Amino acid sequence: GESVGLHLPTLSVQEGDNSIINCAYSNSASDYFIWYKQESGKGPQFIIDIRSNMDKRQGQRVTVLLNKTVKHLSLQIAATQPGDSAVYFCAENNYGQNFVFGPGTRLSVLP
Amino acid sequence: GAVVSQHPSRVICKSGTSVKIECRSLDFQATTMFWYRQFPKQSLMLMATSNEGSKATYEQGVEKDKFLINHASLTLSTLTVTSAHPEDSSFYICSAGIYYEQYFGPGTRLTVT
Repeated sequence: GESVGLHLPTLSVQEGDNSIINCAYSNSASDYFIWYKQESGKGPQFIIDIRSNMDKRQGQRVTVLLNKTVKHLSLQIAATQPGDSAVYFCAENNYGQNFVFGPGTRLSVLP
Repeated sequence: GAVVSQHPSRVICKSGTSVKIECRSLDFQATTMFWYRQFPKQSLMLMATSNEGSKATYEQGVEKDKFLINHASLTLSTLTVTSAHPEDSSFYICSAGIYYEQYFGPGTRLTVT
């Protein structure tokens, strides 16, 4: 049956501010990481990826930082907008196997 | 870009019946498809890995006789929930792709009454 629900961590930010969402991954052998955005009732949407031979990658308004020493990943969103409100998941991959998803963080953008 | 579809998007079925969910890669061929389940306010949990032409590989704790997976072609995988129970109510998501490039479907909301 359904397991006890986890309470998603929630990050509330003011519109226009920067957001930082953190994720601890589990497998030190993972070599590829993705941040996904999931809106209610929809599938995950790709935001940005990073390979393990990099520690930073920038996209449009988003930056991903990877710290392999402490197995930590972060997603920075600049000038957060109402449309950024969603649940964000990090996912790790080990040489082309399935993605393992983190627990998720709900981002709430305040007007 | 690569598109993955799922059908149906929502389904309500009665307890004890079976329901089939389709996952299609519309503009590419996928050697591997993955099936995930997501309960409310939780993360995606992998149920099984489906390879075209071979038996699916199920994750620990997932009953293969209850969740039947058929990967008949490089563009289609189906998940059949047999003898559904209310606790099977969940959001089922598939992904398709090659190696690291996985594209997710929009998900299927299953409600068992």
